[in-house]
Amino acid sequence: EVYLVESGGGLEQPGGSLRLSCAASGFTFSSYEMSWVRQAPGKGLEWVSYISSSGSSMYYADSVKGRFTISRDNAENSLYLQMNTLRVEDTAVYYCTRGRFGAGSYYEYWGQGTLVTVSS
Amino acid sequence: EIVLTQSPATLSLSPGERATLSCRASQSVSYDLAWYQQKPGQAPRLLIFDASKRATGIPGRFSGSGSGTDFTLTISSLEPEDSAIYYCQHRANWPRTFGQGTKVEIK
Repeated sequence: EVYLVESGGGLEQPGGSLRLSCAASGFTFSSYEMSWVRQAPGKGLEWVSYISSSGSSMYYADSVKGRFTISRDNAENSLYLQMNTLRVEDTAVYYCTRGRFGAGSYYEYWGQGTLVTVSS
Repeated sequence: EIVLTQSPATLSLSPGERATLSCRASQSVSYDLAWYQQKPGQAPRLLIFDASKRATGIPGRFSGSGSGTDFTLTISSLEPEDSAIYYCQHRANWPRTFGQGTKVEIK
């Protein structure tokens, strides 16, 4: 069974940094494209970032470009999101997602999410 | 950026009725569209991909149709457990975007 377990969320001040992690199991991690999707409290879904299976290609939403960095460690079956220069509007539940095989931007599996709160 | 507009915002129907949800794209996404279901306190679940293909384990009462700019998610006979918010999402280009959601309420 596929498991995606996020960690690293919490309360941070504006301008601060957080690093989210996602531990993956139950599938061959190195074969799948991965993404982060977030959801602000009471709001809809927003795609944040994508990384290819090898880690050679990454894409970002304009709202986080230049501040967030996605990465992965295929040897450790882990996905990361380094979040710098945090803003109040980054407050959200952050979901780690696995794409369908060969169609990585259909989010077939989701973690339970980790809450990031940016507030002074 | 492709904008996805979902309608209606809320749909209130009785069990057994047919639900029809719409998603309109600001430019063509071909067949590169998915639908997700999200229940309160849960992560979203993939229902439909490539506009009309059901994801693994999704009941047959869920179906998708459309191409280009106009898409529909149909729930043929509503069950009480179908109460949720439904989102469409495209993968035609970057950035990927979601619609704002349609809330389905069961009377």
